[in-house]
Amino acid sequence: QVQLVQSGGEVKKPGASVKVSCKASGYTFTYYRISWLRQVPGQGLEWMGWISGDNGDTDYAQRFQGRVTMTADTSTSTAYMELGRLRSDDTAVYYCARDLGDYVGVWLYWGQGTLVTVSS
Amino acid sequence: DIQMTQSPSSLSASVGDRVAFTCQASQDIINRLNWYQQKPGKAPKLLIYDASILETEVPSRFRGSGSGTEFTLSITSLQPEDVATYYCQHYDHLPHTFGQGTKLEIK
Repeated sequence: QVQLVQSGGEVKKPGASVKVSCKASGYTFTYYRISWLRQVPGQGLEWMGWISGDNGDTDYAQRFQGRVTMTADTSTSTAYMELGRLRSDDTAVYYCARDLGDYVGVWLYWGQGTLVTVSS
Repeated sequence: DIQMTQSPSSLSASVGDRVAFTCQASQDIINRLNWYQQKPGKAPKLLIYDASILETEVPSRFRGSGSGTEFTLSITSLQPEDVATYYCQHYDHLPHTFGQGTKLEIK
């Protein structure tokens, strides 16, 4: 069965960077893209961007351009999301998610979430 | 970016009731609309995609309808396990945006 397992929670200081991993199993990693989303505590969901599991192509939401980098290691079927220049309002649960078949943007499979806390 | 507006923001109903939430898109998204259910501390769960297609193993009491800019998620015969926050999300083009959610509680 398809599984996405994320790395553990992180506490970072303002201005630092955080890198979250998402290890995929149960399917061919290169066949699908991985999206990253986040949810500020008590608030809604926000799409941050995606990375192709095949060729590493990326597309980032405009508000994260220049601060986010998404990469993928096909040898370990792991996707990574690095967010730099952290601010207190980046405190959120970060999720990776995979599409439902050919439906791009229909997220059937989700990681368990990684809480990133930004605090001085 | 397309704005997704959900109403109501919260809803309280009794077990066995029929409930409905709406989602309005700021422009035509045809039928490219998903509904997710999220329980506290958990990742969202896909319920419906393409506005009306029920994901496998989702109970048939959930129903999605609508097209264009107006969409509805309804639950017939509300069950205690349906307590959650429900989000709509479009996937017509990037960025894929979500509504702010409807929190459903049991009276």
